[in-house]
Amino acid sequence: QKEVEQDPGPLSVPEGAIVSLNCTYSNSAFQYFMWYRQYSRKGPELLMYTYSSGNKEDGRFTAQVDKSSKYISLFIRDSQPSDSATYLCAIGLGTYKYIFGTGTRLKVLA
Amino acid sequence: GAVVSQHPSWVICKSGTSVKIECRSLDFQATTMFWYRQFPKQSLMLMATSNEGSKATYEQGVEKDKFLINHASLTLSTLTVTSAHPEDSSFYICSAYSGSSYNEQFFGPGTRLTVL
Repeated sequence: QKEVEQDPGPLSVPEGAIVSLNCTYSNSAFQYFMWYRQYSRKGPELLMYTYSSGNKEDGRFTAQVDKSSKYISLFIRDSQPSDSATYLCAIGLGTYKYIFGTGTRLKVLA
Repeated sequence: GAVVSQHPSWVICKSGTSVKIECRSLDFQATTMFWYRQFPKQSLMLMATSNEGSKATYEQGVEKDKFLINHASLTLSTLTVTSAHPEDSSFYICSAYSGSSYNEQFFGPGTRLTVL
């Protein structure tokens, strides 16, 4: 079993839709949870991070962590064509070393 | 702030040659830098962790004699792919960690290496 599992997609949605991206993980010791956005042929950029169960909101983005189920989600409201990218979840232990999911390719259609 | 650059952004080389990739933190000092490799449609795989002034720590399965890492200063780390072969063709991304909080790992734009 992989330490982090993420549906690779691709996921196509119409503009304005709510997008739900998910990852599951196997090690309950993981403490830190991040979401990165990566445009084609670019480095990842940090979108959201959290270290506790529950929701964290930043503009149109909401990160959700359920430690009991070992499940994390990223919701994007009012999705825009500019949101089209690959979204990577990253999970870390008590250090700065991250394990990345495979990424979900998202396409928002105008 | 928190900008990380990589040079070159794209390199094509012949099989058997060595290629050096630079990673620089432009506006902060990076206590630790990381090197990742990303194959098409796959996720980032950590290759090695380097701390300024000390030897890099390589992940299992990564050949340290093939992927030479030098972290000469708090703003510069280099990755040299020695005797490159076509299977080394990939997207190499570095990240820099400032050490102030767990989430402050900033990524460079990546270097695409193509070995002919």
